[in-house]
Amino acid sequence: AQSVTQLGSHVSVSEGALVLLRCNYSSSVPPYLFWYVQYPNQGLQLLLKYTTGATLVKGINGFEAEFKKSETSFHLTKPSAHMSDAAEYFCAVSVYAGGTSYGKLTFGQGTILTVHP
Amino acid sequence: GAVVSQHPSRVICKSGTSVKIECRSLDFQATTMFWYRQFPKQSLMLMATSNEGSKATYEQGVEKDKFLINHASLTLSTLTVTSAHPEDSSFYICSARDLASGANVLTFGAGSRLTVL
Repeated sequence: AQSVTQLGSHVSVSEGALVLLRCNYSSSVPPYLFWYVQYPNQGLQLLLKYTTGATLVKGINGFEAEFKKSETSFHLTKPSAHMSDAAEYFCAVSVYAGGTSYGKLTFGQGTILTVHP
Repeated sequence: GAVVSQHPSRVICKSGTSVKIECRSLDFQATTMFWYRQFPKQSLMLMATSNEGSKATYEQGVEKDKFLINHASLTLSTLTVTSAHPEDSSFYICSARDLASGANVLTFGAGSRLTVL
């Protein structure tokens, strides 16, 4: 079975500062990795994903993440935070184990990002 | 892009009544949909995998007789919370995968907030 750990339930940064949200995963087979963002009382929006190929993945809104197999990590970064980035971020892992398990996601506990003026 | 619609977005009901939540894939067909539950300030927990034309697959600890799932067509899955109680109050989110996209990416609905009085 796979699992995801997000280090830090709350992260606070100043506007314009670097954003770093940490995610480590556990999986016995090559994983698919995702970052989602959730605004209050809304569903989840995909920021970016890693499936295969290039380990540095660029997503929407200036976010990117790097898959590091040796560290079992998939940390999310953004060079310069905007006020509109304030939201909750979820890291998720998926593995293909046949049948309808394809697409089944396991989520981390989430990290709330606060951006100060 | 792929869009998943959930209805209703908010529902309040009395204890003991049943509530149905619909999840529709608007511009793609989904043989499989996933239902998640999110408690306040917590992560998403997979409840069940909804399979078109067959029985849903429930995660361990989820009561199948309480959370009835029907996936009657390739674009619609419904979750019925039967005999709802206050502890069933939660944010329910569905997701679906666009098979035609060829990618292991889930699109999420905006969620349905259930409050049981």
